[in-house]
Amino acid sequence: QITLKESGPTLVKPTQTLTLTCTFSGFSFSTSGEAVGWIRQPPGKALEWLGFIYWDDDKRYRPSLRSRLTITKDTSKKQVVLTLTNMDPVDTATYYCAHILGDYPMYWGQGTLVTVSS
Amino acid sequence: EIVLTQSPATLSLSPGERATLSCRASQSVHIFLAWFQQKPGQAPRLLIYDASKRATGIPARFSGSGSGTDFTLTISSLEPEDFAVYYCQQRIDWPIFTFGPGTKVDIK
Repeated sequence: QITLKESGPTLVKPTQTLTLTCTFSGFSFSTSGEAVGWIRQPPGKALEWLGFIYWDDDKRYRPSLRSRLTITKDTSKKQVVLTLTNMDPVDTATYYCAHILGDYPMYWGQGTLVTVSS
Repeated sequence: EIVLTQSPATLSLSPGERATLSCRASQSVHIFLAWFQQKPGQAPRLLIYDASKRATGIPARFSGSGSGTDFTLTISSLEPEDFAVYYCQQRIDWPIFTFGPGTKVDIK
């Protein structure tokens, strides 16, 4: 059974750096084409892809966030980490991590709400 | 960037009725389109991928069709648990896998 869970701060101040951890189980993250991605959803709004990291450490980022976003993985710890710098109130959202196969998010974490406010 | 448009924004139906949801892409995505269901306070759940393939554990009342720019999600007979928001998502415009704005299916 594949599960993912996001963890990290619920409140960050403007200009601070957000670090979220996705801890997963049920897959080894060694299958060709496998990835873990991050998707966010501002309150009451639609979903937005942020980026993802493949089993071979290849990474893809949303172009508009490329200068601020880093995604890394530690397969031995079964974790994927998202770092988003220079946070702004418009970054307030529920952040989801997801297990991706065939470039579709097949399994999702429960999400974590991050509020950006001073 | 490929833009996905969903219609209608809201669909008001009764249990047992048939629901037909539309997703239109600003350019061809071939068959590389998925549908997700999201209930309040929950993560989205994958229903359909590659336009017409049901994900694991998804009931047969959910079906997807279409290719190119026009896609349809059909729920043949609405169950009480099907009232939710539905999103389409394309995966051809890599790495910007855009989602549509969503269609809310609510109880009439």
